[in-house]
Amino acid sequence: DAGVIQSPRHEVTEMGQEVTLRCKPISGHDYLFWYRQTMMRGLELLIYFNNNVPIDDSGMPEDRFSAKMPNASFSTLKIQPSEPRDSAVYFCASSPVVRNTIYFGEGSWLTVV
Amino acid sequence: TQLLEQSPQFLSIQEGENLTVYCNSSSVFSSLQWYRQEPGEGPVLLVTVVTGGEVKKLKRLTFQFGDARKDSSLHITAAQPGDTGLYLCAGAKVDNFNKFYFGSGTKLNVKP
Repeated sequence: DAGVIQSPRHEVTEMGQEVTLRCKPISGHDYLFWYRQTMMRGLELLIYFNNNVPIDDSGMPEDRFSAKMPNASFSTLKIQPSEPRDSAVYFCASSPVVRNTIYFGEGSWLTVV
Repeated sequence: TQLLEQSPQFLSIQEGENLTVYCNSSSVFSSLQWYRQEPGEGPVLLVTVVTGGEVKKLKRLTFQFGDARKDSSLHITAAQPGDTGLYLCAGAKVDNFNKFYFGSGTKLNVKP
């Protein structure tokens, strides 16, 4: 079975540019999470969806960040405009039910220069 | 300030040694999970504990959830180089069991 699929795996962009990260969750999973991982702050939850509806976006750092889930098989995380401090690994994860396993994608490595 | 504090942050040991990693908080959790992450990959779930005092074993790994459900430990017996990785604990609070908070992680290096 295919796991959580993220794209791009690596992106280098210039400050001020728009960045869009994409995620395809595991089929049948009701929950989708976006996390960000840095050396300084570890793994932080940015936002999560239940049945395509955003439930908690309190972890989204600023208005420059936005996330959408137009259908059960696709989600995006957008940063506009990007800044060097946004450089991190962004993980998408999905889960079938509450308190069950969270399955992570391989991450999107973002560098903003 | 992290909701879950892990210690130690770094651990470098020889193959065959035993080790314990700790995950502590002042908050009560409805469940707690341990993940292992290898370079360039996402975290992979090792275990979930939900009952205070619960002990789970996974081969050479032993996980314990504190009686008060505020802390947990991971003990590895006879560590092997394949155990090398970043170990993360994650807890879901009782008021929102959908939302998992991750600890800062323990980076383990097992030398052959």
